[in-house]
Amino acid sequence: AQTVTQSQPEMSVQEAETVTLSCTYDTSESDYYLFWYKQPPSRQMILVIRQEAYKQQNATENRFSVNFQKAAKSFSLKISDSQLGDAAMYFCAYRGGNKLVFGAGTILRVKS
Amino acid sequence: GAGVSQSPSNKVTEKGKDVELRCDPISGHTALYWYRQSLGQGLEFLIYFQGNSAPDKSGLPSDRFSAERTGGSVSTLTIQRTQQEDSAVYLCASSLEIGAPTNEKLFFGSGTQLSVL
Repeated sequence: AQTVTQSQPEMSVQEAETVTLSCTYDTSESDYYLFWYKQPPSRQMILVIRQEAYKQQNATENRFSVNFQKAAKSFSLKISDSQLGDAAMYFCAYRGGNKLVFGAGTILRVKS
Repeated sequence: GAGVSQSPSNKVTEKGKDVELRCDPISGHTALYWYRQSLGQGLEFLIYFQGNSAPDKSGLPSDRFSAERTGGSVSTLTIQRTQQEDSAVYLCASSLEIGAPTNEKLFFGSGTQLSVL
């Protein structure tokens, strides 16, 4: 079964600085997708960024980018120029078939 | 509606009672998921509906849990004889998916906070 591991329960970053959230996954599949979702206190999950495993180029979405290392099965999220509104729980997720499997999440705190 | 709607937003029940949680997905979305999120934890997959296919029930934790999706739209998650360990946020998500795997994003509701006393 696929598993997703987020080894950082909590991270802090100063406003305007850069932070990287870690994620590793385990799979034997070759075709899959990876995602980062953000969950603010409202509980509603919001897609931040996604990556196709067959693409070598790392995905970017404005201040958000990923470092996808397929051989190492690593998929970290970099947030540049952190803003107070980035404070939330961040979940890494994997999809190789029907199910979207989530990691345990990382709480990101942004200090002003 | 504009998004995925879940009701109720909060539910308090007594141990041993049955509860029903409702999810209205985005119109036209073929796929519907239920997840459970315990306090401070990640999302635990419960069940997945896709079109007219048999649902993937592999995540349901016990036979006290069941779900149905009527007419390919609204879904109800039922928990019978609730236990205190069932207390969690139950999240529903829908997606427009054709085939798997897919990079289609999931649209989530705001969840139902279930508290079993």
